[in-house]
Amino acid sequence: KAGVTQTPRYLIKTRGQQVTLSCSPISGHRSVSWYQQTPGQGLQFLFEYFSETQRNKGNFPGRFSGRQFSNSRSEMNVSTLELGDSALYLCASSLAGTGLNYEQYFGPGTRLTVT
Amino acid sequence: GNSVTQMEGPVTLSEEAFLTINCTYTATGYPSLFWYVQYPGEGLQLLLKATKADDKGSNKGFEATYRKETTSFHLEKGSVQVSDSAVYFCAVERGSTLGRLYFGRGTQLTVWP
Repeated sequence: KAGVTQTPRYLIKTRGQQVTLSCSPISGHRSVSWYQQTPGQGLQFLFEYFSETQRNKGNFPGRFSGRQFSNSRSEMNVSTLELGDSALYLCASSLAGTGLNYEQYFGPGTRLTVT
Repeated sequence: GNSVTQMEGPVTLSEEAFLTINCTYTATGYPSLFWYVQYPGEGLQLLLKATKADDKGSNKGFEATYRKETTSFHLEKGSVQVSDSAVYFCAVERGSTLGRLYFGRGTQLTVWP
């Protein structure tokens, strides 16, 4: 079974631009979570989608948004990029429905550099 | 507040040494507990998990026991290898927050031959 895939793997953008990152979960997984990883803040939760609905959101500004499609694939968007948005963005998928069987499987991440 | 407190690194060991990485958590009820490992340039890989008190998760020689009374989930390995060099993250799932894992800050492990 294929793992979680994320595209692109690397991205360089300029301040003020916007970016869209994509995540394809493991087949059959309906939950997709996004995390931002930086050396200073560690792993921070962005949001989670299940069956096309955002169920949970972390403490990030509105410039960070996401969505999930009917095939469970998910995208996240960051508008008006700032230097501080440079990070590794990780996507994780899970079978999670009501909270049981909560292990999350992570993709390789998208390394975003904002210049 | 911080849900997961993880032993500060870096940890440097010689091959075949014993490894312990401490992890304590704060959560109500009976959360699920996880250890993830991250190799350079990669995402996180699930190493092991435990879903109820006194459960022992194990994988690839690593073990961790869910201690409800001390709210701990320490990672151990009896004999580390150079290939175990990576960053290890302890994580907690709090049932009240769907789809979200709370992670510790990570512990960098370097194993020398």
